Amino acid sequence: ETGVTQSPTHLIKTRGQQVTLRCSSQSGHNTVSWYQQALGQGPQFIFQYYREEENGRGNFPPRFSGLQFPNYSSELNVNALELDDSALYLCASSFGELAKNIQYFGAGTRLSVL
Amino acid sequence: QKEVEQDPGPLSVPEGAIVSLNCTYSNSAFQYFMWYRQYSRKGPELLMYTYSSGNKEDGRFTAQVDKSSKYISLFIRDSQPSDSATYLCAMSRGSGTYKYIFGTGTRLKVLA
Repeated sequence: ETGVTQSPTHLIKTRGQQVTLRCSSQSGHNTVSWYQQALGQGPQFIFQYYREEENGRGNFPPRFSGLQFPNYSSELNVNALELDDSALYLCASSFGELAKNIQYFGAGTRLSVL
Repeated sequence: QKEVEQDPGPLSVPEGAIVSLNCTYSNSAFQYFMWYRQYSRKGPELLMYTYSSGNKEDGRFTAQVDKSSKYISLFIRDSQPSDSATYLCAMSRGSGTYKYIFGTGTRLKVLA
């Protein structure tokens, strides 16, 4: 167990709705990265939060947004859900924002958009 | 062309076999190389972390990085049915960057 916890475990939404996913980072970690993993694919980087600021973003539209709180927990918000947003959403925490800082993953939130 | 290529498998081997899993990549700037194991409907679990070229061993697992060929490998000795999972390679560039680039993952089945 990595100590990274995500909630909820599963979620079913309909197209056009909005969703919020939550992540608690491992104790001592100040950086959270979010990834989307479609079925049969590797995780794709969405964005990273370091010290409550967005530190970098992958190739995802603005309807994917996030927050990091003073206790380093984080939220991923997705607006105007589309069918292709159905995926496993993974949160990873690390101590530090650099590439050398190992990212430890939570179990993920499985989102189904109908 | 994807930055990281990985054969999706599935790869089936008998219990006790030596397993070889591989990834190739195109970006010569990659400096950090990771292998994660992912069981069905779970998050990725870090197995090996390597900086730059060379070998690293941890128990039954050995990671190799050949930067000249842009090729990384993970070897599993004495494979067990509990090793049945998807194995993801991931890599990232040097300082100033943060995101991991993953392969698609190789599904491994170890048959008892």
